[in-house]
Amino acid sequence: NAGVTQTPKFQVLKTGQSMTLQCAQDMNHEYMSWYRQDPGMGLRLIHYSVGAGITDQGEVPNGYNVSRSTTEDFPLRLLSAAPSQTSVYFCASRPGNDSPLHFGNGTRLTVT
Amino acid sequence: RKEVEQDPGPFNVPEGATVAFNCTYSNSASQSFFWYRQDCRKEPKLLMSVYSSGNEDGRFTAQLNRASQYISLLIRDSKLSDSATYLCVVRRFSGTYKYIFGTGTRLKVLA
Repeated sequence: NAGVTQTPKFQVLKTGQSMTLQCAQDMNHEYMSWYRQDPGMGLRLIHYSVGAGITDQGEVPNGYNVSRSTTEDFPLRLLSAAPSQTSVYFCASRPGNDSPLHFGNGTRLTVT
Repeated sequence: RKEVEQDPGPFNVPEGATVAFNCTYSNSASQSFFWYRQDCRKEPKLLMSVYSSGNEDGRFTAQLNRASQYISLLIRDSKLSDSATYLCVVRRFSGTYKYIFGTGTRLKVLA
């Protein structure tokens, strides 16, 4: 049982480049979300989805896009990378409203 | 002021010691509470949910005090493998369910 799978594990981008962070889960969870974790700050919600075709903004959505064409996949796109987007990104899912989050193993992104 | 606050530590304790962490939250609409464990450069993993009456899982005990708006985690008989950062997570409903993360308390268990 793979759970929540994120790729890549590490990525280095130059300012202005674009890329997509992949997230897939095999637990049939309706809810999926993206967080970033920075030193001295709690995890902050970027975007989330409550089901295929439905997405919404979280606390820090600027500079990121998402889509949810299937229940399993929830990619995060950086349109034009900036050094401020250097962070560790976690994808998380949960099966229902009263359930805790399950996290992927993270993507470390550095933007130079 | 952050909505969820934790002492960042580190808490350095010898093996076998008992250690307790507190976490305070400011929004009285908070409904559910969790403790997650995060090892260095790894993803957060659920340690335990926190129930109103308090709950225990082996060496770990979680308590909730709604009146004072804090939750606690007690670890008995600390092991070297308990060394990690412990994240306090609060969930409330605001149009959708929101999970608010503390910045974590770092624990080092020393041999």
